[in-house]
Amino acid sequence: EVQLVESGGGLVKPGGSLRLSCAASGFTFSSYSMNWVRQAPGKGLEWVSSISSSSSYIYYADSVKGRFTISRDNAKNSLYLQMNSLRAEDTAVYYCARSDTAMVDGTFDYWGQGTLVTVSS
Amino acid sequence: EIVLTQSPATLSLSPGERATLSCRASQSVSSYLAWYQQKPGQAPRLLIYDASNRATGIPARFSGSGSGTDFTLTISSLEPEDFAVYYCQQRSNWLFTFGPGTKVDIK
Repeated sequence: EVQLVESGGGLVKPGGSLRLSCAASGFTFSSYSMNWVRQAPGKGLEWVSSISSSSSYIYYADSVKGRFTISRDNAKNSLYLQMNSLRAEDTAVYYCARSDTAMVDGTFDYWGQGTLVTVSS
Repeated sequence: EIVLTQSPATLSLSPGERATLSCRASQSVSSYLAWYQQKPGQAPRLLIYDASNRATGIPARFSGSGSGTDFTLTISSLEPEDFAVYYCQQRSNWLFTFGPGTKVDIK
């Protein structure tokens, strides 16, 4: 069974940093591209970033480019999102999601339960 | 950025009725469109990918159609567990975008 478990969320002040993690199990992590998608409270879904299976291809939404960094450790079956220079508008539940290909393809077939990031003074 | 518009914003129906949800793209996305279902407090679930392909384990009452800029998600006969919010999402370019969602609630 595919499982994705996010962690690392919490309360952070504007301008601060946070690192999210996603622990994957139930599939060969190193063979699949991975993604982060967020959802502000009471709002819709927003794609944040994607990374290919070997980390060769990385993409970001314009809203986070230059502030967020996606990475993965295939030996640890883990996905990460380093978030710097956080703003109030980054407040959201952050979901880790898998794509069913090694290359980034933008279809998200399995999702974690999410971790809440709150940016507030 | 490709903008997706969904209509209606809310659809009020009774169990057993047919639901028809629309998604329109600001420019052609070919068939690179997916549909997701989200229930309160839960993560989204992939229903349909590439416009008309059901994801693993999705019941046959869910079907998708369309190409280019106009797409439809149809639920042939609503079950109680189908009342939720539905999002469309495009992957035509590397700036993946979602629509604002259609809420299907109980009439």
